[in-house]
Amino acid sequence: DAKTTQPTSMDCAEGRAANLPCNHSTISGNEYVYWYRQIHSQGPQYIIHGLKNNETNEMASLIITEDRKSSTLILPHATLRDTAVYYCIVRSRNNAGNMLTFGGGTRLMVKP
Amino acid sequence: DTAVSQTPKYLVTQMGNDKSIKCEQNLGHDTMYWYKQDSKKFLKIMFSYNNKELIINETVPNRFSPKSPDKAHLNLHINSLELGDSAVYFCASSQGGTSGGNTGELFFGEGSRLTVL
Repeated sequence: DAKTTQPTSMDCAEGRAANLPCNHSTISGNEYVYWYRQIHSQGPQYIIHGLKNNETNEMASLIITEDRKSSTLILPHATLRDTAVYYCIVRSRNNAGNMLTFGGGTRLMVKP
Repeated sequence: DTAVSQTPKYLVTQMGNDKSIKCEQNLGHDTMYWYKQDSKKFLKIMFSYNNKELIINETVPNRFSPKSPDKAHLNLHINSLELGDSAVYFCASSQGGTSGGNTGELFFGEGSRLTVL
């Protein structure tokens, strides 16, 4: 699976949009982009995933560039409870065992 | 109504002991996993298991063994515990496993913190 690069940490003001970038320049055609987050002392939580098109759900939006080499997770109105480590993961559709490989992630701090 | 539950939540034990962590999922999923999160907070896959195959991360020592009495349970047994085994262990489940149709969405438990003294 392709490797991802994310900033180590980011701050965001409460109520503002949080835009978390992810580079995956070696992504191949059958690889999906996944986002998970881990709130302190809890298990990771699935947020969203996509292949080519932009995706939106009740938690977030995922914007994938046309060349698919990078993506941005958008939390439209960040709250204090969105403070967490956010993981961008690229996974092949044929990934044996469906195993996700987590990198270092981005530590998002939402401030009042 | 917890989807993926692990017990115990905390476990403190001596080096050399053998211990188990239990995991149960009530989502009807066919694939379960164990992840290890060390002190540096990196999450590393240990095992992926469904009723057809066990996939082991080759870096996992053979002192670690997953045991699945049925589709809803995947327990983690650890023999001869070492100091370096201290970590938080997460169980997860998903539907579809290695076959087509799986979305890649994993549901995680709350973790079991193991401390080896």
